[in-house]
Amino acid sequence: DAGVIQSPRHEVTEMGQEVTLRCKPISGHDYLFWYRQTMMRGLELLIYFNNNVPIDDSGMPEDRFSAKMPNASFSTLKIQPSEPRDSAVYFCASSPRDRGLAGVGTGELFFGEGSRLTVL
Amino acid sequence: DAKTTQPNSMESNEEEPVHLPCNHSTISGTDYIHWYRQLPSQGPEYVIHGLTSNVNNRMASLAIAEDRKSSTLILHRATLRDAAVYYCILREQYSKTSYDKVIFGPGTSLSVIP
Repeated sequence: DAGVIQSPRHEVTEMGQEVTLRCKPISGHDYLFWYRQTMMRGLELLIYFNNNVPIDDSGMPEDRFSAKMPNASFSTLKIQPSEPRDSAVYFCASSPRDRGLAGVGTGELFFGEGSRLTVL
Repeated sequence: DAKTTQPNSMESNEEEPVHLPCNHSTISGTDYIHWYRQLPSQGPEYVIHGLTSNVNNRMASLAIAEDRKSSTLILHRATLRDAAVYYCILREQYSKTSYDKVIFGPGTSLSVIP
């Protein structure tokens, strides 16, 4: 398997522009997570999906951020309009259901290589 | 949410064992202890997890205290490639219809000295 694939790897944009980050999870994984990482705040969970349905978006910082998962093999994280403080590395991760206790998700997370966003 | 406490940084000499501690005094009976690490310029990667018993895999060993209020990730022979940030995480289990948030703390930054 190719692993979790994120694009673009690097994005430089100007304040006010729309940014779309993309993620292809590992085939067969039921869960998809979006994280943001900065030096100041570390790794923050933004939102996660189960079977394409958003389960918890309480980590999404503002209404400027939105995430979708139209099918099991694709998700997007959109920032509109972007601001300099959105500069960060954005990680997507996917996870299978736990192979132990049925119905409880404690499977390991597989992360992509991240998308480094710079907003000028 | 149950929380973990780790030292901010540690150093180790190459080819020596490394013991990375994690305190989780408020752990509940069904919390799993997971460890991830993040190499420079990469996403985090899973290392190991356990519930009560000590665990071994090809990457590391996990020693869990009898009262489960602390655990230690053991790298048996540190290499330069093991220089990374190591995260200790508790995975809470709710119900069959729910999924725990996977929350990362600041972790321990491990430096390996040649």
